[in-house]
Amino acid sequence: GQNIDQPTEMTATEGAIVQINCTYQTSGFNGLFWYQQHAGEAPTFLSYNVLDGLEEKGRFSSFLSRSKGYSYLLLKELQMKDSASYLCAVRDSNYQLIWGAGTKLIIKP
Amino acid sequence: NAGVTQTPKFRVLKTGQSMTLLCAQDMNHEYMYWYRQDPGMGLRLIHYSVGEGTTAKGEVPDGYNVSRLNKREFSFRLESAAPSQTSVYFCASSSVAHNEQFFGPGTRLTVL
Repeated sequence: GQNIDQPTEMTATEGAIVQINCTYQTSGFNGLFWYQQHAGEAPTFLSYNVLDGLEEKGRFSSFLSRSKGYSYLLLKELQMKDSASYLCAVRDSNYQLIWGAGTKLIIKP
Repeated sequence: NAGVTQTPKFRVLKTGQSMTLLCAQDMNHEYMYWYRQDPGMGLRLIHYSVGEGTTAKGEVPDGYNVSRLNKREFSFRLESAAPSQTSVYFCASSSVAHNEQFFGPGTRLTVL
């Protein structure tokens, strides 16, 4: 079967750095997405990786290793507004999106 | 530019009642989707559309019907509500199949 694994919850301190991991087992691979979802709101797109390596976008970076079925989202200089759930999603060989259950990130002052 | 809109934001139904949700996007996207989101689970695709007049089944289509009314609008109907359909329902759209998706605000449905 197809599976996306992410930690359920993580806690970090304001101003620090946090890494949220995502491992996947899917029928083929055609890209990996990260979305941010604040409580009670809709998911919003953060990043897209299709080739191995690091994609940087401001305070957020996303890394992909296709051979290891692994990605991480790195958040730097954490702010209280970064408290949210972070969803990992993989597009499989049929171009269907498989979603992880999300990682709830709690930021403490 | 409103993006993706869906109404209503909250709905309470009794078992057996029906409901229609309407989703609209103003980004000229070809692809539209309906998802449900439950605690501890990833988003699950219910139905989607690859263009005006088309619909296709997703991962969990049973008990739900959709209609792509035109390029902008994608309706969602629940014919006979069951408690297992208590969930948050999201509409989304994208310009490319299953690529970066833009989500509506969601509808929180409770079935009693």
